[in-house]
This record gives sequence, C-alpha cells and structure tokens, in this order.
Amino acid sequence: KNEVEQSPQNLTAQEGEFITINCSYSVGISALHWLQQHPGGGIVSLFMLSSGKKKHGRLIATINIQEKHSSLHITASHPRDSAVYICAVRGGSQGNLIFGKGTKLSVKP
Amino acid sequence: GAVVSQHPSRVICKSGTSVKIECRSLDFQATTMFWYRQFPKQSLMLMATSNEGSKATYEQGVEKDKFLINHASLTLSTLTVTSAHPEDSSFYICSARAVDTQYFGPGTRLTVL
Repeated sequence: KNEVEQSPQNLTAQEGEFITINCSYSVGISALHWLQQHPGGGIVSLFMLSSGKKKHGRLIATINIQEKHSSLHITASHPRDSAVYICAVRGGSQGNLIFGKGTKLSVKP
Repeated sequence: GAVVSQHPSRVICKSGTSVKIECRSLDFQATTMFWYRQFPKQSLMLMATSNEGSKATYEQGVEKDKFLINHASLTLSTLTVTSAHPEDSSFYICSARAVDTQYFGPGTRLTVL
C-alpha cells in the first residue's frame, strides 16, 4: 500500500463543475502539499497545509489531521484547470516529500 | 514569489555523453535542494538531496557516480548525468526548500539517443 493515495486517478469534468480530489496518507506528517503539474511538466505549488483550510481564488484545500485526509476543491472549473494534481506529504520537519501518483483532471468546454 | 529555474529545459544527447542540468533559486537562498526524476505517467521520485557545501545524499538505487550533484552556492545546484544511456531519458525536476515551503523548477526533459 502506498503511503500517499489519491483518488480518483483520472477525472473528466464539464466546464463549471465543482471538482474534488482526495488524498489519504498513512504516515505522520508535518505538512501536506498540493501541486499542479501542467502537460509540459512544470510544477506549481498550490498549497501547503498543516491544519484546517486554505483558499486561493477558485481553489480550496482542506486537511483533517485526525483522519489523515486532505481534499482539493476547484469551484467553477475551467479548461485551463486541466492538469495533473499531486498530493505530497512531509514526514517530519526535515523529512522528504512523499508523493501521491497524481490525479489527471480534464475539464471539457 | 519565489522562483526556481532550470536550464536547459530540453536536451537531446548521444549515448555515452554527459549532460549538466542547472537549478537556480532566483530570489531566495536555498540551503537544501532536491533532484527528482519522473518517468511518463509516474510519480516524482526523489534521486538525491543536496545541502550547500556538503556531499549530496542519494536515495537507494541511485548511482552517485552516474548522477553527480554539486551544490556550490546557496542559489545553484547542478546535476550531471554522466555516460548517459537511453534508459536515463526522463524528466528531471529540481526543487529548493525555502523557510516554510518547497518550490519546484520547471523541469528538464532529457532524451538520450
């Protein structure tokens, strides 16, 4: 079993839909990252969370430490949101990131 | 915001040659930089962690003599793929740790013919 599991693996949505991507992890963590990888490969860090909820524009990330679960929500999805979304956790303050396999999102116009 | 750059973005080389990839933190000092490799449709895999001024720490299965890492300053780390083989063709991504987060470079796509 992977230490970081994401679901779904692939997701196709229509423009405007509300999207949720889930991440569960099995290790104790100091922080959780949500990353966006574009088709060209470049990676953008969207959020870093250690508790609660963060919002940036149409993106919302939540984390439940007790349940070892995080969600990334996209409101009013747009085709430009199409990318691979990766969840990564840090095992300790100096620990390395452990990556999920990613969720490939395609938003159709 | 903080930016990490990589150069080159793409490189094609012949088997047996060496390729150097540069990673720079542009507006912050990074005491720790990471090198990842990503094969198609796979997760990022950590290759090594480099701390400025000291030897890199390699992950299990990564040949340190093949993937030479130099972190000579707080803003520059280099990865040299020596005697490249076609199976080294991959997407190489560097990342730099700032105080409270980690920033990723745009990646370098290496193709070895």
